[in-house]
Amino acid sequence: GEDVEQSLFLSVREGDSSVINCTYTDSSSTYLYWYKQEPGAGLQLLTYIFSNMDMKQDQRLTVLLNKKDKHLSLRIADTQTGDSAIYFCAGATGNQFYFGTGTSLTVIP
Amino acid sequence: GAVVSQHPSWVICKSGTSVKIECRSLDFQATTMFWYRQFPKQSLMLMATSNEGSKATYEQGVEKDKFLINHASLTLSTLTVTSAHPEDSSFYICSAYSGSLGTDTQYFGPGTRLTVL
Repeated sequence: GEDVEQSLFLSVREGDSSVINCTYTDSSSTYLYWYKQEPGAGLQLLTYIFSNMDMKQDQRLTVLLNKKDKHLSLRIADTQTGDSAIYFCAGATGNQFYFGTGTSLTVIP
Repeated sequence: GAVVSQHPSWVICKSGTSVKIECRSLDFQATTMFWYRQFPKQSLMLMATSNEGSKATYEQGVEKDKFLINHASLTLSTLTVTSAHPEDSSFYICSAYSGSLGTDTQYFGPGTRLTVL
């Protein structure tokens, strides 16, 4: 299976940008995903990037993929208090997903 | 679109009883459904993968006789925790996968919190 690692915690001030990083070991993933989990809730798909892309932007979200370094990042611009949650990156090979450990983002008002 | 529901959202039961959790894909047909378990402040642990009409494939260390999975249709999968014990208390999340939705992604249910007394 694939190992997917993330830093556990991130704190930012409201209005600043947040960058959540993820590293993975298996480069065969076709898609790479970012999910958001609020307390007591399931996972919400935020965005995804196809493995042959370097960057994808979706409103406040920017995903960067460095395949050479096997590094994926999620940038949230103008971070709001409602963005406080746990963020999981995931790689997928076929229908098998491999989740990172999750990064807990705290937004300070 | 691509909504997955779970029922119940929260269940409390006595030790030794069985609990059934339902996972439904509401507006699409899921060729595969997955069951995950999540402990507090931890990532998701895949328990089993189920395809409609066939037996579920369990991950190593997951007792198939304790966690019964039935995938009766392309929109419904159930997880039954048999003879539940306090150590089974956890957050159970299902997801549904359909390769026909264009993104090859899994869509997650809201989760079911099981507390065994």
